[in-house]
Amino acid sequence: DTTVKQNPRYKLARVGKPVNLICSQTMNHDTMYWYQKKPNQAPKLLLFYYDKILNREADTFEKFQSSRPNNSFCSLYIGSAGLEYSAMYLCASSRDRQGDTEVFFGKGTRLTVV
Amino acid sequence: QQQVRQSPQSLTVWEGETAILNCSYEDSTFDYFPWYHQFPGESPALLIAIRPVSNKKEDGRFTIFFNKREKKFSLHIADSQPGDSATYFCAAVDTNAYKVIFGKGTHLHVLP
Repeated sequence: DTTVKQNPRYKLARVGKPVNLICSQTMNHDTMYWYQKKPNQAPKLLLFYYDKILNREADTFEKFQSSRPNNSFCSLYIGSAGLEYSAMYLCASSRDRQGDTEVFFGKGTRLTVV
Repeated sequence: QQQVRQSPQSLTVWEGETAILNCSYEDSTFDYFPWYHQFPGESPALLIAIRPVSNKKEDGRFTIFFNKREKKFSLHIADSQPGDSATYFCAAVDTNAYKVIFGKGTHLHVLP
């Protein structure tokens, strides 16, 4: 099974409320990523886990949290959603930390903040 | 964040023509360059990739041309088919930091 599963596919959240998005993969991949995708923009890397080590991008450091309790599972947490968080969130995974292995993507969670 | 520029934003070609999608990057630390395609409702999926040791990579109708000096690379889709209609993302990978940075995407429409 080479799929990355994301739940839910669609999420509606209120401004100021927390949001938790879930991703899983059963490929025993070392690295799991979260990307934010807005229309007509490039997928933006938010953070990634290599094994148990979390790496967050400098410009999104304070906006997003994540946890990876085991190899298969990774979550993305927004403590207080703002309208600007409305986007598609893509989870992805790859076998190891070296970049020339294939990155597998989930179908995404479309988050709408109102 | 490191930038990858992709053009055009949208491209329409006739069936049988060659579609050309272009990308450029700035940072010399990038050392792996994949292309992904995404069909509506589906996940982005790896199509073809190249390392800078090569200036060309072919896989069937898909060819990457790479110019290390100019920091540019392009995807050529020969004999385009309506089934090739999708969004194509180029990406650049920094294998030391392991970051995959994407372009904005090109919406390709192949008309029959």
